[in-house]
Amino acid sequence: AQSVTQLDSQVPVFEEAPVELRCNYSSSVSVYLFWYVQYPNQGLQLLLKYLSGSTLVKGINGFEAEFNKSQTSFHLRKPSVHISDTAEYFCAVIAGGGATNKLIFGTGTLLAVQP
Amino acid sequence: DTEVTQTPKHLVMGMTNKKSLKCEQHMGHRAMYWYKQKAKKPPELMFVYSYEKLSINESVPSRFSPECPNSSLLNLHLHALQPEDSALYLCASSRDRDYYGYTFGSGTRLTVV
Repeated sequence: AQSVTQLDSQVPVFEEAPVELRCNYSSSVSVYLFWYVQYPNQGLQLLLKYLSGSTLVKGINGFEAEFNKSQTSFHLRKPSVHISDTAEYFCAVIAGGGATNKLIFGTGTLLAVQP
Repeated sequence: DTEVTQTPKHLVMGMTNKKSLKCEQHMGHRAMYWYKQKAKKPPELMFVYSYEKLSINESVPSRFSPECPNSSLLNLHLHALQPEDSALYLCASSRDRDYYGYTFGSGTRLTVV
């Protein structure tokens, strides 16, 4: 079954520094990958998604991710973070196919931006 | 309208109560989902509806009963819940089951006492 792994439960970073949040997926013929952000006491907001095509995906709020098939990775990056980026970030994958497809989430990474 | 609206935002219920969570969208989406999220955990899929029919039930206990009365509305009926059912319940929708763009609501924070 398709799955994603987020190895870092928490990533502390100083404001205006670059950040990378790591996500690895289980290998499959077709893979659809997503990054979601969840601010405290809120729902989930889609940052970006990879369905096909260009391996560099740009999303909202200055985030981008690169799909790397050889390393089965989909890491999220931002060149300069702000305090307001403090949130939980979830990598997710579509598992199954057709009528059985499901959006399955990784365990999440807390991005803690410090002044 | 590009939102999924969930009501109520907060709910406290006793173990003998019956309550319902409501989810509404007016984007013309034909697939709707319920997720459960415990504190500091990722969301877990509970149910999937496609064209108002139940498509997936992830072995959820029968004290949770979903209902999709029309293409815009999704309910989750709750009865005889346990304290461990306390969680954030998230609703999501997508254009259809083959469209991989889910829009999530802000959730209902449920506390069972």
